[in-house]
Amino acid sequence: DIQMTQSPSTLSASVGDRVTITCRASQSIGDSLAWYQQKPGKAPKLLIYQASSLQSGVPSTFSGSGSGTEFSLTISSLQPDDFATYYCQQYISYSPTFGQGTKLEIK
Amino acid sequence: EVQLLESGGGLAQPGGSLRLSCAASGFTLNTFAMAWVRQAPGQGLEWVSRISATSEIAYYADSVRGRFTISKDNSKNTVYLQMSSLRGEDTAVYYCAKGVVAGTRNYFDYWGQGALVTVSS
Repeated sequence: DIQMTQSPSTLSASVGDRVTITCRASQSIGDSLAWYQQKPGKAPKLLIYQASSLQSGVPSTFSGSGSGTEFSLTISSLQPDDFATYYCQQYISYSPTFGQGTKLEIK
Repeated sequence: EVQLLESGGGLAQPGGSLRLSCAASGFTLNTFAMAWVRQAPGQGLEWVSRISATSEIAYYADSVRGRFTISKDNSKNTVYLQMSSLRGEDTAVYYCAKGVVAGTRNYFDYWGQGALVTVSS
C-alpha cells in the first residue's frame, strides 16, 4: 500500500493567518491526491481534488499544490470555520489511503 | 440533491455479524463507484471497501478481506456492507461515500452521516 504522511500532526494558528499542511506519499502518485476537512462528529468534506482543483462551493482561501510525492494544502487567511482536522488521500492505487490527519487548532 | 443515509449500526459481539445499509438519493448507483470508509474512536480515516458502478469489481482493505462483503442493489439505490467475524478493532464509525467516477481511481465527493459499529462482549 502507498503510505501517506502528513505534517504537522497539530497546528496552532490564529484567525487571519496563512497556514500550510504537507502530505508526502511513499511513492509517486502523480496528481491523484484529494484533501478533506472534518469537524468533530461530522463526515469529511471534499476540499481539493487532483492535487490543486477546488471542489465546487469551497472558498478560494483554500488551495492545493504539488505532484509526485510532495503535496500541500494552504489556507491563505484562516477563518473561524476553518479550525478542523484535515486529511489527504491518494487515489491512484486500488487501495486508496489517507494521511493520519492534521488538527488545526486556535492559538 | 445528493444524500447518503447509513443504517444498521449498533452493538455486536466478537465473532458476530452486522449489515450496514447506505440508501442513496439524488443520483443512480449504476453510474458511480461507492465505498465504505471507517474511523475508529479518536483515530483517522481508513478505507474499507469499494464497489464499481457496474458491481463487477469489489476491493477490500487487507484488514477486512475475507470477513466483509460489499454489494449493492441498484433497484433500491442502496449499498450494503456485510460484516462477519467481527473483532474489537472493527469498532468505528462507518461512512458510506460516493466516488466521482464509475471505476477504480476515486476520491469521494459525498459522504453519509456515519453509522457507529461497536464490537464488544
